[in-house]
Amino acid sequence: QVQLQESGPGLVTPSQTLTLTCTVSGDSISRVSDRWSWIRQPAGKGLEWIGRISISGGTNYNPSLKSRVTVFADTSKNQFSLKLTAVTAADTAVYYCAGDIRQASGNYVFGYWGQGTLITVSS
Amino acid sequence: DIQMTQSPSSLSASVGDRVTITCQASQDISNYLSWYQQKPGKAPKLLIYDASDLEIGVPSRFSGSGSGTDFAFTINSLQPEDIATYYCQQYDNLPLTFGQGTRLEIK
Repeated sequence: QVQLQESGPGLVTPSQTLTLTCTVSGDSISRVSDRWSWIRQPAGKGLEWIGRISISGGTNYNPSLKSRVTVFADTSKNQFSLKLTAVTAADTAVYYCAGDIRQASGNYVFGYWGQGTLITVSS
Repeated sequence: DIQMTQSPSSLSASVGDRVTITCQASQDISNYLSWYQQKPGKAPKLLIYDASDLEIGVPSRFSGSGSGTDFAFTINSLQPEDIATYYCQQYDNLPLTFGQGTRLEIK
């Protein structure tokens, strides 16, 4: 059974860089899915897609965050990570990692989710 | 960005009721739409993809319909365990975007 687990600092100081890691267990990250995303959810609010990496090559980012975001993977560790620079209080949220499932139609949807990790930006 | 507008933002229904949530896209997304269920303190769970296909293991009382810009999500015979917030999400264009969510409560 594939499981995803986010890890990170919990508390980040404003203007600093947030780094989160998602560890995939149960199978090789490359075999489970080609596409891995980060999604966040401020308290009491909706879901915002941050960006994704394709193990086969390439990244895509939400333009609203593109200048501050990097998503990268370490397949040898079965992990992928998010780096978000110059954080502010507006970046306080639960951050989820998610993996795509390729359906028979050929379309990709978020089939695997981590439990989420709360990141608070505060001095 | 494609804007996804869900309606209503919250609704209260009784056990056994039929419940319908709508989702409207700001432009044609064909059938590139999924529905997720999120219970408090939990990650979202995929229920429906390609607008109307039921994910494996999801009860058949859940269904989806629509194409283009107008979509619907229905729960036939609401159960107590269906209390959650439901989100639609388009995957036709980047950035991937979600509706604002519909909070479902039991009367």
